[in-house]
Amino acid sequence: QKEVEQDPGPLSVPEGAIVSLNCTYSNSAFQYFMWYRQYSRKGPELLMYTYSSGNKEDGRFTAQVDKSSKYISLFIRDSQPSDSATYLCAMTGTDKLIFGTGTRLQVFP
Amino acid sequence: EAEVAQSPRYKITEKSQAVAFWCDPISGHATLYWYRQILGQGPELLVQFQDESVVDDSQLPKDRFSAERLKGVDSTLKIQPAELGDSAMYLCASSHGWTANTEAFFGQGTRLTVV
Repeated sequence: QKEVEQDPGPLSVPEGAIVSLNCTYSNSAFQYFMWYRQYSRKGPELLMYTYSSGNKEDGRFTAQVDKSSKYISLFIRDSQPSDSATYLCAMTGTDKLIFGTGTRLQVFP
Repeated sequence: EAEVAQSPRYKITEKSQAVAFWCDPISGHATLYWYRQILGQGPELLVQFQDESVVDDSQLPKDRFSAERLKGVDSTLKIQPAELGDSAMYLCASSHGWTANTEAFFGQGTRLTVV
C-alpha cells in the first residue's frame, strides 16, 4: 500500500463547477499538507499549504485536512478553463515530501 | 521573479549512453532536490543536498546515477548508462529551509526519453 493515495482521474467538469480533489494517507507522522498544481510539461507549483487539521481558504481554493480520518481535500469554486492541470497532493512530517500520483483536471467552457 | 533553471528541457538518448542534467537553484537557497517523475505518477525524491553535502540519496540508483553540487550552488545529475526505464521527467527544486515542510520551488524539468 502506498503512503499516499490519490485518484488519477481524469476529472472533466464544466466551467463554473465546484471541484473536489482528495487524497488519503497512512502515515500518522504527516503534519504538513500541500497541494501542487502542475500544468502540462511544466514543474509543479505550490498552491496551498496547511499545517495539521483544519481549513485554509485562498480565493477560489479551499484546502481541508482531517487527520483523524487521514484524508485531505482541495475544493475549487467557480472552476475556470485555466484551472485545467494535474493537481498533486503532498505531505510530510519533516523527513521527506511524499507526493500522490496526481489528479488530472479538465475544465471545459 | 527568481526561478529554478534547468537544462536541457528535452533530451533523447540511446540506451547505454551517458546523459547529464543541470540545475541552477534560486539564489540563496541552501537546499536542492532532484526528483524523478514517471508519466502518470507523482515526483519521487532521488537526492537532497544541503549546501554541497548530500542529506538523502537513499532512493538514488547509485550503480548508474550520480549527483553533485560541488560549490553548493548549481548541481548536475548524471545517468550512465541510461536504460529504457529511465525515461521520465527529472525535476530540480530548491528551498531556503532544510526540512521537507519548507516550500520548495520547482524548475520546469528535463524530459528524458531513452530509445
